[in-house]
Amino acid sequence: EVHLVESGGGLVQPGGSLRLSCAASGFTFGRYEMNWVRQAPGKGLEWVSYISDSGNLKKYADSVKGRLTISRDNANNSLYLQMDNLRAEDTAVYYCARDKADLASRAYDYWGQGTLVTVSS
Amino acid sequence: DIQMTQSPSSLSASVGDRVTITCRASQSISRYLNWYQQKPGKAPNLLIYATSNLQNGVTPRFSGSGYGTDFTLTINNVQPEDFATYFCQQGDSSPRTFGQGTKLEIK
Repeated sequence: EVHLVESGGGLVQPGGSLRLSCAASGFTFGRYEMNWVRQAPGKGLEWVSYISDSGNLKKYADSVKGRLTISRDNANNSLYLQMDNLRAEDTAVYYCARDKADLASRAYDYWGQGTLVTVSS
Repeated sequence: DIQMTQSPSSLSASVGDRVTITCRASQSISRYLNWYQQKPGKAPNLLIYATSNLQNGVTPRFSGSGYGTDFTLTINNVQPEDFATYFCQQGDSSPRTFGQGTKLEIK
């Protein structure tokens, strides 16, 4: 059974840093593209970042470019999001989400339970 | 970026009703349209991918249709477990964008 478990969220001051992790199990992690998607309290869903299966290709939303960095460790079935220079508007639940292995869909077929990041002084 | 607009933002229904949610893209996205269900405090759950394909394990009471810019999600015989928020998402181009959500409430 596929499982994605995020960790690393918490309260951080504006300008601070956090590193989120997503532990994957139940599938061959290194064969799947992965993403981070966030949801501000009471708001909709916003795609944040993408990484290819090999880790060679990375994409970011304009709102986080230059401040957030996605990475992965296929040997340890883990996805990461390094968050620097955090702003109040980064406050959200952060989900890791797997790309469905179906080029006709470009959907996210499995999601973690999410980890809350709160940026506040 | 492609803008996704859902309507209505909320709707009320009774158990057994048929409901339809609409999603409109700001430009053509072919059939790259996916639907998710989200319950309070939970992660989104993929229901339908590529406009009309039911994700494994999803009840066939859910169906999707459309092409280009206009898409619909239909729920037949609404059940208590269907009361949730529904999001559409386009996969045609990066960044993949979501609609603002439609909250389905009990009448």
